[in-house]
Amino acid sequence: KAGVTQTPRYLIKTRGQQVTLSCSPISGHRSVSWYQQTPGQGLQFLFEYFSETQRNKGNFPGRFSGRQFSNSRSEMNVSTLELGDSALYLCASSFQGSNEAFFGQGTRLTVV
Amino acid sequence: GNSVTQMEGPVTLSEEAFLTINCTYTATGYPSLFWYVQYPGEGLQLLLKATKADDKGSNKGFEATYRKETTSFHLEKGSVQVSDSAVYFCALSGPNQAGTALIFGKGTTLSVSS
Repeated sequence: KAGVTQTPRYLIKTRGQQVTLSCSPISGHRSVSWYQQTPGQGLQFLFEYFSETQRNKGNFPGRFSGRQFSNSRSEMNVSTLELGDSALYLCASSFQGSNEAFFGQGTRLTVV
Repeated sequence: GNSVTQMEGPVTLSEEAFLTINCTYTATGYPSLFWYVQYPGEGLQLLLKATKADDKGSNKGFEATYRKETTSFHLEKGSVQVSDSAVYFCALSGPNQAGTALIFGKGTTLSVSS
């Protein structure tokens, strides 16, 4: 079956703009989580959604937000982009009751 | 809070050498422990996991044993191949936590030459 799909794969944005990233989970998976990966900070947990509700949240400013739709697809939004937001953003999905996360290939965001 | 510490890389080995990547963790209770692998330009793939003390996770020749007494989950492989070259991440999922809020180590880059 299809894996986790993230779109777009690459994005270039200007400081101050906002951006929306999309994630389609594996069919049947209702949990979606998001991570930021940078060379300096490594992989950091942003937030997790389950059945359209945010279940866990990492330590990121309010500029980072997300949502989940009734079909389990998820979006994350970053407003007022800063240069430091340049990163690979990874989405992962998991089956209900499981803590095994399956990752997408990521969206590479570059802020200039 | 919970945290994961991995050995710094890069690790450079010749083909068929023995591999160990050290991982220790800090957590209350019994977290679930994972090793993920990331190939260039790709997302993360789950390599193996263990959910309780003394569990051994294994996959593709890689093994790791959950050691509660030393709070460790070291990754080992008896004979590495060039195709094993990648970045390896140790991670934990907090005990009594619903969902998959993973805490990752910094990653260890493995380079295997023929």
